[in-house]
Amino acid sequence: GDSVTQMEGPVTLSEEAFLTINCTYTATGYPSLFWYVQYPGEGLQLLLKATKADDKGSNKGFEATYRKETTSFHLEKGSVQVSDSAVYFCALSDQGTSYDKVIFGPGTSLSVIP
Amino acid sequence: NAGVTQTPKFQVLKTGQSMTLQCAQDMNHEYMSWYRQDPGMGLRLIHYSVGAGITDQGEVPNGYNVSRSTTEDFPLRLLSAAPSQTSVYFCASSYGSALYGYTFGSGTRLTVV
Repeated sequence: GDSVTQMEGPVTLSEEAFLTINCTYTATGYPSLFWYVQYPGEGLQLLLKATKADDKGSNKGFEATYRKETTSFHLEKGSVQVSDSAVYFCALSDQGTSYDKVIFGPGTSLSVIP
Repeated sequence: NAGVTQTPKFQVLKTGQSMTLQCAQDMNHEYMSWYRQDPGMGLRLIHYSVGAGITDQGEVPNGYNVSRSTTEDFPLRLLSAAPSQTSVYFCASSYGSALYGYTFGSGTRLTVV
């Protein structure tokens, strides 16, 4: 079945450091890919998305490119801030079914220290 | 503010008790779903609904019931609580396809002792 794998955390970075969180997926069809972010004590929020190969999703300085050849959707940010501390979830949605269920990865916790 | 409202935020149950987790949204979203979040496992789909009167099972439905009598409300019922149901529960809604993105509630932290 479809699945999402993320790099294990927690990840700790200093402010202004470069961030990469790796995400790879397995899907039978042509999924859409997402990154969600969960701040402490809150529900998940959609951060960015990409719907087809080579699409780049971007939001709030974060970027991710849909790489079909490597089945990857790595999240990047050039300069992280303390306010970026959160848990990041990679997810996919395969529209091959009657209800496009979203499958989430296990999440990667990010802590940014001043 | 518009969004997904979940109640209660925290709950402690004894094994065998039943309870209902409430979820309401005021965005006129057709799709609603319940997830549970456990450490190291991400979010797993319990039940979902594509409209009033229509529900279906997700990945981990055992021990839970749902109903969708209105577009706004999607309650999750625990029939006989077990310690394995200790988790954080999230309700989510979307306008239609997942491509529009889900809006999540702030969660219910449930402990079964």
